Amino acid sequence: DAGITQSPRYKITETGRQVTLMCHQTWSHSYMFWYRQDLGHGLRLIYYSAAADITDKGEVPDGYVVSRSKTENFPLTLESATRSQTSVYFCASSGQGSTGELFFGEGSRLTVL
Amino acid sequence: SQQGEEDPQALSIQEGENATMNCSYKTSINNLQWYRQNSGRGLVHLILIRSNEREKHSGRLRVTLDTSKKSSSLLITASRAADTASYFCATGNNAGNMLTFGGGTRLMVKP
Repeated sequence: DAGITQSPRYKITETGRQVTLMCHQTWSHSYMFWYRQDLGHGLRLIYYSAAADITDKGEVPDGYVVSRSKTENFPLTLESATRSQTSVYFCASSGQGSTGELFFGEGSRLTVL
Repeated sequence: SQQGEEDPQALSIQEGENATMNCSYKTSINNLQWYRQNSGRGLVHLILIRSNEREKHSGRLRVTLDTSKKSSSLLITASRAADTASYFCATGNNAGNMLTFGGGTRLMVKP
């Protein structure tokens, strides 16, 4: 199906474990983003990517790693998960630049015990 | 820190009434956008207004932007129960490299 898909939709893990959240888009959009959504904080940008092999930090990058070897994929890795990383993570893409209209995935709800 | 702040945080109205949500921001922007989020779902883009525009319409939506006051409003006319959702404003910074979201307004439209 066309669009932007995230997996897994739900994940429970333990403190210290590595977790990777996947994001795939079929539009060939240049820009891709990872946001986290927490009560009281709205959505905060973690990392974004302007193109394959180009990534940059957002507002809250600490504890996260991203890569973009292919235009369509933008995985987000928590190398050593902490409880403060319990959140809903949203991947988004844009064909209009980093401040253009965003197309969001359905989100990945991560719980770190 | 959030660039945009929505007001009110929550709004409850009857079907058929108009709903107005406001967004204030702190620094200069190149555009302002509004998104809707249904419970448990991703955000959906509604409308984008550029910094040199003052008003924009899309169906039942009307957005205004006052750059002198650093504020925007979203008006939904003749609301429907299906409009029940959270609404977020997002501002694009002048460096052109980041879209920053506010905390959102939760709208409930009662049938």
